[in-house]
Amino acid sequence: GQSLEQPSEVTAVEGAIVQINCTYQTSGFYGLSWYQQHDGGAPTFLSYNALDGLEETGRFSSFLSRSDSYGYLLLQELQMKDSASYFCAVADSWGKLQFGAGTQVVVTP
Amino acid sequence: SQTIHQWPATLVQPVGSPLSLECTVEGTSNPNLYWYRQAAGRGLQLLFYSVGIGQISSEVPQNLSASRPQDRQFILSSKKLLLSDSGFYLCAWSVKSYYEQYFGPGTRLTVT
Repeated sequence: GQSLEQPSEVTAVEGAIVQINCTYQTSGFYGLSWYQQHDGGAPTFLSYNALDGLEETGRFSSFLSRSDSYGYLLLQELQMKDSASYFCAVADSWGKLQFGAGTQVVVTP
Repeated sequence: SQTIHQWPATLVQPVGSPLSLECTVEGTSNPNLYWYRQAAGRGLQLLFYSVGIGQISSEVPQNLSASRPQDRQFILSSKKLLLSDSGFYLCAWSVKSYYEQYFGPGTRLTVT
């Protein structure tokens, strides 16, 4: 089977840096995606890592270590609008995504 | 540009009633289509996905079914709803890269 673990909640102040870790156990691993979901809204795609290393997209960066079955999403220069849930999702070799339970990020003034 | 439509936005249905949720995609051809369900405060559970007309793969045994009568139309159905079917139902599409999916606004279903 597959399992993903990520923290349930992280709280930080505006301007801070937050790291959301994701560990996974899966067969047929292809890559790791990250999605953001605001309360009541639809998830939106943030980033994808197929190879080891860091991918940077503006204030957000994502990292993958395939040998450690581990990845993280780094949110820099936190803004109030970053308050949302963040999901890691394993992309398997059968063309599907398996989502984690999500991490709620709370940004305080 | 591509857009995805889902309706209705909210739905309250009694136990044992039928269900039909529709999803349509505009601005792209031959997309992969997905139905997910999200329980409150939880992650997304993949229910069905389709790589083409009439091609449906089911991920979770349940009393739900899906159909894809047209290239850009995906329908989720049930003959008799259960209380456990309550949740947030999301339709999504992808084209070249299945790891990058685009979600519709969702339908919040409450079964009473």
